[in-house]
Amino acid sequence: SQTIHQWPATLVQPVGSPLSLECTVEGTSNPNLYWYRQAAGRGLQLLFYSVGIGQISSEVPQNLSASRPQDRQFILSSKKLLLSDSGFYLCAWSRDKKNIQYFGAGTRLSVL
Amino acid sequence: DQQVKQNSPSLSVQEGRISILNCDYTNSMFDYFLWYKKYPAEGPTFLISISSIKDKNEDGRFTVFLNKSAKHLSLHIVPSQPGDSAVYFCAARTQGGSEKLVFGKGTKLTVNP
Repeated sequence: SQTIHQWPATLVQPVGSPLSLECTVEGTSNPNLYWYRQAAGRGLQLLFYSVGIGQISSEVPQNLSASRPQDRQFILSSKKLLLSDSGFYLCAWSRDKKNIQYFGAGTRLSVL
Repeated sequence: DQQVKQNSPSLSVQEGRISILNCDYTNSMFDYFLWYKKYPAEGPTFLISISSIKDKNEDGRFTVFLNKSAKHLSLHIVPSQPGDSAVYFCAARTQGGSEKLVFGKGTKLTVNP
């Protein structure tokens, strides 16, 4: 069966510090991978998605970047965090034509 | 431009009664619709889906109805249970197998014992 791992679960970072969130998927190959953010009281905002190694599509201009160095690994990064980067970050994968996406447990990021 | 709208931020129902969660969409190119359930501090979990060629899909206590002419879908939960208390997201996929889903902002369901 397929599983998705996302870490850390919580993170408190000072403004201006770097960020690296990692997501890995097991039990499948060549998945589509996604990074979402859920800000307080708001819906799911798609940040990045990837259909293959090295292929990154950005949905909104922002202070974040994404990379896919391996087939089942997706990384969300920032060189300098802003207060507005605080939120709940979710990684997801999909594999079928229906594009049913399966989510990780999420990372709660607080930028202080 | 919000293509998928969940106009009710919250809904409260009694245990055992029916919960009806609504979702409206504007893009006629959507061909597949999904519902997700999310508990606090957890990732959303896939609940049920429906293709645009159908008007109803049922899975146990959960039924999704699609009205294409009205660009409206709804999720019915019967009977509602306290464990159903969560935020429910409606999502849609664009025709042609787009890799992306468009999510609504969610409706928080509270089922009271």
